Amino acid sequence: SQKIEQNSEALNIQEGKTATLTCNYTNYSPAYLQWYRQDPGRGPVFLLLIRENEKEKRKERLKVTFDTTLKQSLFHITASQPADSATYLCALENQAGTALIFGKGTTLSVSS
Amino acid sequence: DTAVSQTPKYLVTQMGNDKSIKCEQNLGHDTMYWYKQDSKKFLKIMFSYNNKELIINETVPNRFSPKSPDKAHLNLHINSLELGDSAVYFCASSPRTSGPSYEQYFGPGTRLTVT
Repeated sequence: SQKIEQNSEALNIQEGKTATLTCNYTNYSPAYLQWYRQDPGRGPVFLLLIRENEKEKRKERLKVTFDTTLKQSLFHITASQPADSATYLCALENQAGTALIFGKGTTLSVSS
Repeated sequence: DTAVSQTPKYLVTQMGNDKSIKCEQNLGHDTMYWYKQDSKKFLKIMFSYNNKELIINETVPNRFSPKSPDKAHLNLHINSLELGDSAVYFCASSPRTSGPSYEQYFGPGTRLTVT
């Protein structure tokens, strides 16, 4: 069955640094991958979607890469700010293409 | 303007009761979903509805039943509530009709506590 792993449950960095979050998957090859942000007590908010034929995608201070050979996506936040502190979820379509499977998330804390 | 709304925000009830959670989206999307997020923050798909038709149903007990009166609404009915049903339930919608290959918009969640 499909498996998604986000490398760490928590990541602490200082303001201004680049945060790098990892999402690994096994047992299948999804056509696309999505990243979401979730704040405490709120629903996930969509950030970026990257397709298998795209190596990299950017949106303001966010950058996502998708390496289908390594079966890995990296999510970068440059010039991080305390307001970036949240849980970031990686999501892939299931093999049937009917639903998203979410990773457990990485909680990022940016200290000033 | 709230894109995806859910009511109630909090729901506390006793074991054995039957309850419903309502969801509405004003985005004109074709597909709606219900997710369950447990105490370990793991978000898992329960159901999805496309044009009032159930298109997936993961390994969810049949005590849970989605009901869609129209394309903008997807309600979740839960019968004979159990302690293990305590979780946060999220409704979501997507513009895509065939598969979730587009972003999903989530509601604020309903925290269900079964005592």
